[in-house]
Amino acid sequence: EADIYQTPRYLVIGTGKKITLECSQTMGHDKMYWYQQDPGMELHLIHYSYGVNSTEKGDLSSESTVSRIRTEHFPLTLESARPSHTSQYLCASSEPGLAGLTDTQYFGPGTRLTVL
Amino acid sequence: DQQVKQNSPSLSVQEGRISILNCDYTNSMFDYFLWYKKYPAEGPTFLISISSIKDKNEDGRFTVFLNKSAKHLSLHIVPSQPGDSAVYFCAASSITSGTYKYIFGTGTRLKVLA
Repeated sequence: EADIYQTPRYLVIGTGKKITLECSQTMGHDKMYWYQQDPGMELHLIHYSYGVNSTEKGDLSSESTVSRIRTEHFPLTLESARPSHTSQYLCASSEPGLAGLTDTQYFGPGTRLTVL
Repeated sequence: DQQVKQNSPSLSVQEGRISILNCDYTNSMFDYFLWYKKYPAEGPTFLISISSIKDKNEDGRFTVFLNKSAKHLSLHIVPSQPGDSAVYFCAASSITSGTYKYIFGTGTRLKVLA
């Protein structure tokens, strides 16, 4: 089981503020992901990284940006938060196993963001 | 167009009975499937997985069945316990093609009645 941490767990901020959501994992996983989930909806992939200095946009368009300078750290930044960014943000990491036939993503506890 | 569908938004089951959660997918390239359990305001917890080279995988009270021809998988929980009450998500990916991105269903809320 992966140890993956997210801070803060809850954040309430005003419109226009810059925020960074932190995500760290201690398992040395190369692959890391950011998802956004609204209540009652599926998880939508917004960013992913397959290793250091590698970042890609996910399937759901997002105004956020990410960086991957260290293997264990994958922060997400919103330059100017808006009420439409209110959501739960989930970070995950994974490492393929069994000759590439398995790949389990382990999730952090999430950050519940509210933008007023 | 949703590639992974969980058509039952909710399910209620009596404690001790079997819970069956269903998931359908449309992309025949999917070859690896996961089930997660999620409580409100928490991250999903991995439960069980299955590769397309198998049709069944079992782990304690949890069993996942995969029917590739029907593009259908199901999660069986036996016996169901009140602590199993949560939202369950299935997720699918095509990892042998080098894509490690998962598509998630919308979830099924399971309520186990004591």
